[in-house]
Amino acid sequence: GAGVSQSPSNKVTEKGKDVELRCDPISGHTALYWYRQSLGQGLEFLIYFQGNSAPDKSGLPSDRFSAERTGGSVSTLTIQRTQQEDSAVYLCASSLGTGGSEPQHFGDGTRLSIL
Amino acid sequence: AQTVTQSQPEMSVQEAETVTLSCTYDTSENNYYLFWYKQPPSRQMILVIRQEAYKQQNATENRFSVNFQKAAKSFSLKISDSQLGDTAMYFCAFMIYEKLTFGTGTRLTIIP
Repeated sequence: GAGVSQSPSNKVTEKGKDVELRCDPISGHTALYWYRQSLGQGLEFLIYFQGNSAPDKSGLPSDRFSAERTGGSVSTLTIQRTQQEDSAVYLCASSLGTGGSEPQHFGDGTRLSIL
Repeated sequence: AQTVTQSQPEMSVQEAETVTLSCTYDTSENNYYLFWYKQPPSRQMILVIRQEAYKQQNATENRFSVNFQKAAKSFSLKISDSQLGDTAMYFCAFMIYEKLTFGTGTRLTIIP
């Protein structure tokens, strides 16, 4: 498909385990964004990439969260030593460029549940 | 800090009627973008409409239009001739320096 692809769609894991969430952006999109949506809440910005660089990591909630992007394409968001408060839907978006003139296209998200 | 407030957690309207969703925001910046996104049960966020803060003319996209009042920091969404497929969560969002800040959403139900 031509849209943003995220995997897995759902992930259930035990507290204390590490998880990796994957995002495959739309081909040619240089900007990539990660958001978190907790139950009943709006989206919370986590991090964005321009190419492989992450100019703004201010939204990452703790040092247990990290993200990388390789080859200007696929990105992974890693959460180490998961906690129950990490349970949320993690959404990825991509855009042709930075700045609001280029709309962000979102994937379907990964629903993460920490037992 | 930038904030976005959606004061209507839930709304419902009869099919074919017009509904307006409200949104206010707070920023000290002058140049930014405003958005309305729709999130159906499928979870995917879909862009409904976008407004550039430096443009005075209100954006329109078919049945969707906005009332942008920059001085009042207000950005409401009007849906005309509402359809069953419009049932979804609607999020107002504001972008500055690549960061989208979202409101908490309005759950809109279109009643047949």
